[in-house]
Amino acid sequence: DTGVSQNPRHKITKRGQNVTFRCDPISEHNRLYWYRQTLGQGPEFLTYFQNEAQLEKSRLLSDRFSAERPKGSFSTLEIQRTEQGDSAMYLCASSETGGITEAFFGQGTRLTVV
Amino acid sequence: AQSVTQLDSHVSVSEGTPVLLRCNYSSSYSPSLFWYVQHPNKGLQLLLKYTSAATLVKGINGFEAEFKKSETSFHLTKPSAHMSDAAEYFCVVSDQGGANNLFFGTGTRLTVIP
Repeated sequence: DTGVSQNPRHKITKRGQNVTFRCDPISEHNRLYWYRQTLGQGPEFLTYFQNEAQLEKSRLLSDRFSAERPKGSFSTLEIQRTEQGDSAMYLCASSETGGITEAFFGQGTRLTVV
Repeated sequence: AQSVTQLDSHVSVSEGTPVLLRCNYSSSYSPSLFWYVQHPNKGLQLLLKYTSAATLVKGINGFEAEFKKSETSFHLTKPSAHMSDAAEYFCVVSDQGGANNLFFGTGTRLTVIP
């Protein structure tokens, strides 16, 4: 399977714990995006990378959130001191650079904070 | 500012009958518009995109959409619904083309009745 891969698919954590998600993009894509989707809503942009550089962060990305893409390949999204409001589906997507290109989405990681 | 309004949160059709999913957009610029589909436990998949070329856009699986600037609409249609079309559909607007600028609607859940 050469699509976008996200792990884990599901994560249940206690409030206050830290969690980390991983995204493996399509190998030739140098742009990688993180989105968050809450129940009944469409996905909302969080942040994106071009290669290893994090070029944009949404105001939705609070100080407790950090994303990395150390070698321009896979990316991690960490949430520190989780809150119940962090419960959502976290989606990763990748695309080629430039123009109006299709973003290919992974299946997402569903986070439940109890 | 960009936004998308999907006028119906839920649409139910009988198999073999036409599908109409409505979308109105707001954009300060000449927008790019997309329709994505989300099947349960699967990633978002691009159905079609409008990028200022032909106003009638054909996508995968027999779907098409027409860009109407005067009505600021981008409705999704299909002549004959199939059971496999049952899913969540998202209308998306971008005024800069990149996947870091995708603004999703709240989605329309399509149910197909056998």
